[in-house]
Amino acid sequence: AQSVAQPEDQVNVAEGNPLTVKCTYSVSGNPYLFWYVQYPNRGLQFLLKYITGDNLVKGSYGFEAEFNKSQTSFHLKKPSALVSDSALYFCAVRSGFQKLVFGTGTRLLVSP
Amino acid sequence: EAQVTQNPRYLITVTGKKLTVTCSQNMNHEYMSWYRQDPGLGLRQIYYSMNVEVTDKGDVPEGYKVSRKEKRNFPLILESPSPNQTSLYFCASRPGQVDTGELFFGEGSRLTVL
Repeated sequence: AQSVAQPEDQVNVAEGNPLTVKCTYSVSGNPYLFWYVQYPNRGLQFLLKYITGDNLVKGSYGFEAEFNKSQTSFHLKKPSALVSDSALYFCAVRSGFQKLVFGTGTRLLVSP
Repeated sequence: EAQVTQNPRYLITVTGKKLTVTCSQNMNHEYMSWYRQDPGLGLRQIYYSMNVEVTDKGDVPEGYKVSRKEKRNFPLILESPSPNQTSLYFCASRPGQVDTGELFFGEGSRLTVL
């Protein structure tokens, strides 16, 4: 069965500092990996995805994620956090024709 | 503007009173899905539809019904709501029947069942 884990309920970072939101996954085949962001009172918005190719994927709003097959991880990163990045972040995974499975979400709080 | 539209955005109802949450997308997407979001549980899929007249159960279908009579619409029906269906609901869509792309989400419908 597919699964995805976001081990941190909340991540706190100061504005201007780099941020990392962690995600690990478990699938039986090759993974398709996604990150979504949810701002308050809004629906989820797509940030980036890994299907194949380069392990470092660049997405919207300056975010990037690194696919690490040996560690089965897909951590979300940004070199310099903004207060406006404060939101709820979801990692999701699927493999083959299986359905998309979401993590439980990580709340990112960027302080001024 | 490409979007997924859900209505109502907020609803308070009582146990047993049938309700429908509508979902409409204007992107000609074949695939549509309903999720519920609960604290600590993330998003769980309720039902999905690969195309018109094709629907299937997700992870938590009990207490819900759906229909897909038209490509653009995918209503979620709660025949007899119960308090454990109090949640934040999201409709989502994506193009094609092969899941290589991202989902487009509606703004969410917050439902409270008293």
